[in-house]
Amino acid sequence: NAGVMQNPRHLVRRRGQEARLRCSPMKGHSHVYWYRQLPEEGLKFMVYLQKENIIDESGMPKERFSAEFPKEGPSILRIQQVVRGDSAAYFCASSPSGDWGGYEQYFGPGTRLTVT
Amino acid sequence: ILNVEQSPQSLHVQEGDSTNFTCSFPSSNFYALHWYRWETAKSPEALFVMTLNGDEKKKGRISATLNTKEGYSYLYIKGSQPEDSATYLCAFSSSNTGKLIFGQGTTLQVKP
Repeated sequence: NAGVMQNPRHLVRRRGQEARLRCSPMKGHSHVYWYRQLPEEGLKFMVYLQKENIIDESGMPKERFSAEFPKEGPSILRIQQVVRGDSAAYFCASSPSGDWGGYEQYFGPGTRLTVT
Repeated sequence: ILNVEQSPQSLHVQEGDSTNFTCSFPSSNFYALHWYRWETAKSPEALFVMTLNGDEKKKGRISATLNTKEGYSYLYIKGSQPEDSATYLCAFSSSNTGKLIFGQGTTLQVKP
């Protein structure tokens, strides 16, 4: 059973470009979380999605960031017009259920975004 | 603002020592408390999920306790081994969406 897959593992973008980060959850999991780790900081929640629905986006920056989890295919975190402050490690996690946090979340290896 | 505090920030012990770390979280609106183990260049690995006051969980030499009334959890490692060297994260859920709020972690270094 493959774990959570993220690609690319490393992504370099120039300021103003778009970044697309992909996450394939574990087989059988339909709940996906995105977290961000800025340099010298801890993991911070960004967004929680179920298939075709955004359930909680309270941690997403208001502008330039969007996320989706289509019926088919991976979850995508999209950052438009990247700035240097977006440089971070972005982690995706999946779980079999999203209710009340009582289920383990399985993490992917992360995508390290560098904005030059 | 919900804050999760972990102490100590880092810890160096000798192989064979037993050690413990603390995680403090808000005692109101509690849903679950998670412990993760995070080795360098790897993904965070789930150790325990605890939901009930007084919960105790054990996996090999690692165990954890939970006190939701006073808002703390302890992680214990008995007879530390060099392979236990990692950052140990705790995360608190106060929401029925499963959103986790992470502490900064305790970094453990076990010397052979």
